[in-house]
Amino acid sequence: RKEVEQDPGPFNVPEGATVAFNCTYSNSASQSFFWYRQDCRKEPKLLMSVYSSGNEDGRFTAQLNRASQYISLLIRDSKLSDSATYLCVVNPGGDKIIFGKGTRLHILP
Amino acid sequence: DAGVTQSPTHLIKTRGQQVTLRCSPKSGHDTVSWYQQALGQGPQFIFQYYEEEERQRGNFPDRFSGHQFPNYSSELNVNALLLGDSALYLCASSLTSSSYEQYFGPGTRLTVT
Repeated sequence: RKEVEQDPGPFNVPEGATVAFNCTYSNSASQSFFWYRQDCRKEPKLLMSVYSSGNEDGRFTAQLNRASQYISLLIRDSKLSDSATYLCVVNPGGDKIIFGKGTRLHILP
Repeated sequence: DAGVTQSPTHLIKTRGQQVTLRCSPKSGHDTVSWYQQALGQGPQFIFQYYEEEERQRGNFPDRFSGHQFPNYSSELNVNALLLGDSALYLCASSLTSSSYEQYFGPGTRLTVT
């Protein structure tokens, strides 16, 4: 099993819809979790951290399920500008972080 | 407040050559990590530098080496380039105390022909 797995997509979603995608991780001792966003031919940028209690930032909600070893990202009222690749990032301990391959999201007008 | 900067932006090299990529961290950051991102893949961790020493290393051969200078800037060197080394090379900086929150530079796109 890969350390961090994501559905590569693409997810083609009409503007205004809600979209959610998950990311699974293999190391049950993983400490910290993040979602990064990467636009085409640009660098990744931190979108949000994922806390045990879940967290929300505007239209974005991130949740952690330790029992099933996955994190999720929910985007409500999607905008055209949300089109990007969303990278799941896991810290398995220490200072190393592991990136998933990313999920491509296309918001359709 | 300057973010992470990298140079050059693009580079074309021939198989067997050597390349040096450069990175300046975000102001106030002292830890630099390097990543390789092939097309359609997530970034793969190469190594991390702190206090001018390699602190951690991913699964990359010894052809990949690095250096960190007293001003926290860093270099990535790749020897004996292979076609498969063609990728976007990303530098990320972080505060030591929260080094999992990383700020990326725009990357150097290396093409090996």
